[in-house]
Amino acid sequence: QKEVEQDPGPLSVPEGAIVSLNCTYSNSAFQYFMWYRQYSRKGPELLMYTYSSGNKEDGRFTAQVDKSSKYISLFIRDSQPSDSATYLCAIQEYGNKLVFGAGTILRVKS
Amino acid sequence: DADVTQTPRNRITKTGKRIMLECSQTKGHDRMYWYRQDPGLGLRLIYYSFDVKDINKGEISDGYSVSRQAQAKFSLSLESAIPNQTALYFCATSGEPGGYTFGSGTRLTVV
Repeated sequence: QKEVEQDPGPLSVPEGAIVSLNCTYSNSAFQYFMWYRQYSRKGPELLMYTYSSGNKEDGRFTAQVDKSSKYISLFIRDSQPSDSATYLCAIQEYGNKLVFGAGTILRVKS
Repeated sequence: DADVTQTPRNRITKTGKRIMLECSQTKGHDRMYWYRQDPGLGLRLIYYSFDVKDINKGEISDGYSVSRQAQAKFSLSLESAIPNQTALYFCATSGEPGGYTFGSGTRLTVV
């Protein structure tokens, strides 16, 4: 079993839809939870970062962490064509390296 | 200037050739990483370094080697390139704890 599981998609939604992206993980020692966005032919860029259970909001993006279920989510409200990208979850144990999910390809159709 | 600079951006090389990919960062972080990305497989860690004297193998280090020349520089070498090393390669750096900052990648094709 992989340490981090992520549905690779692709996920195709109409413009304005609410998008839900999810990952599950197996190691309860993980403490830091991140979402990266990667546009085609670019390096991943950090989108959201949290270290606690609950929700963190940044504009149209909300990151949600449920440590009891070992489940993290990224919600995108009012999705735009410019949100079309690959979204990678990443989880870290303190003092150790990040473990990445495989990435979900998102396409927002105008 | 970019926080993490990778050179070259694109490279085509022949099977059996030695090739070096270079990475430099201006973030002042001690930790640096090399990943390869293949469609459907996500990012896989090749090597990582937590400081200049610390080099560690990742999950797919066979066929690769690295050199940490300074805090800011971390290079990846393919001693004898083979076609299944065709991939997108990323260098990254991080503080502790913290998110990674990635370079723009090197697209390597081995023919």
